This record gives sequence, structure tokens and C-alpha cells, in this order.
Amino acid sequence: AQTVTQSQPEMSVQEAETVTLSCTYDTSESNYYLFWYKQPPSRQMILVIRQEAYKQQNATENRFSVNFQKAAKSFSLKISDSQLGDTAMYFCAFMDLYGGSQGNLIFGKGTKLSVKP
Amino acid sequence: ETGVTQSPTHLIKTRGQQVTLRCSSQSGHNTVSWYQQALGQGPQFIFQYYREEENGRGNFPPRFSGLQFPNYSSELNVNALELDDSALYLCATMDHPQGTQYFGPGTRLLVL
Repeated sequence: AQTVTQSQPEMSVQEAETVTLSCTYDTSESNYYLFWYKQPPSRQMILVIRQEAYKQQNATENRFSVNFQKAAKSFSLKISDSQLGDTAMYFCAFMDLYGGSQGNLIFGKGTKLSVKP
Repeated sequence: ETGVTQSPTHLIKTRGQQVTLRCSSQSGHNTVSWYQQALGQGPQFIFQYYREEENGRGNFPPRFSGLQFPNYSSELNVNALELDDSALYLCATMDHPQGTQYFGPGTRLLVL
């Protein structure tokens, strides 16, 4: 069974600085997607970024970028120029494309990020 | 904000009762997944519906059931509520079963 591990329960960063959130996963599959979702106190889960496993290039979305290391099964999220609105729970998630659990997201336990002024 | 809506936003029930939660799909999305998120945890997959048929199920008992309608909106039904069913219930819709999932705001259920 696939698992997702986020080893940092809480992190804090000063406004305008850079922070990196860690995520590791375990799978025997080769075709999958990885995601970072953000859940602010308003509780709506918001997509931050998506990475396809077959792509070697790391995904970027404005201030958000990932470091995808397929062999190491590592998928970290870097937030540059942190803003107060980035304060939220961040969840790493895995989606198997062709195995028995295809189409459902497997989430880590989350990292609570606080951005301080 | 996504185009996914859920109702109601909050709900209080007593043990043994039944509850129905609703989810309206984002335009163009024919697939919906439901998740249960306990306090302080990541969401857990309940089941997925694709074109009105169940298309996968997580480790939840049969008293958790669902429906998807021709307009791709969906319901989650939970019978014989237990205290441990207290959680945030999230639905997510997508344009195919392996597509990127866009979440609604959730329904907070409290079972007393």
C-alpha cells in the first residue's frame, strides 16, 4: 500500500523569507501524480501544485516550486517570498494512475505553516 | 475558489441517526470523490463515483453509501451514526477519474 509521510508537523517562517516543506512517499508503481494542497483555517482544500512522475522537470507555480526526486521518493515544496496569506496546513498527496487504488488521493498528515510578520 | 459547493456547511446529529451530505460538481466534471478528514489528520478516501457508478472505495463500512446524479452532483449517506463519524467531509470533483481533484469547502459533522 502506498503511504505519504510529512515529517514536519509545524513550521514557521518570517514574511518574505523562503521555506521548504518535506514529503516522502512509498510506492512500487512508476506512473503517478504528486500534489501539494493548502488548507487555510477556512478549511477549503486548495491545489498548490501538481507533479507528474514521468516528468523530470520540477513543477513551478509562481512562488511555489517542488524538488521531485523520484529515486529517493521525495517531493518537497519550496515557498519563496512567504506571505501572511500562506499561513495554512499543507498536505502532500499521492495519486496512483494504474494500480488498484487508482484515482484516489492518499494524503500525508500535513504540516502547519505559520508566516510571521 | 473552485466551482464545487457542498451543503450543509455544519450539521449536528445524535448517535444512531442517518445523515445525507450533498456536493455540486464543477462544470465539466463527471467524477466525484468523497473524503473524511478527522481533526488534525489528512483526508481519508471514502469512495469515488464516475458517471453515476461507484468507481473505487476506501476502507469504510457499508453504512457509508453514495449516489451520483445525471448532472454529476453527488450525495454521501451515512447510516447508524457513530461518535467517530464526527469529522469534516470533503468532496472533490474532476473531469476524469485520474484528473486533478478540486475540493469543495466541506461539511463539518458533529455526532453527539
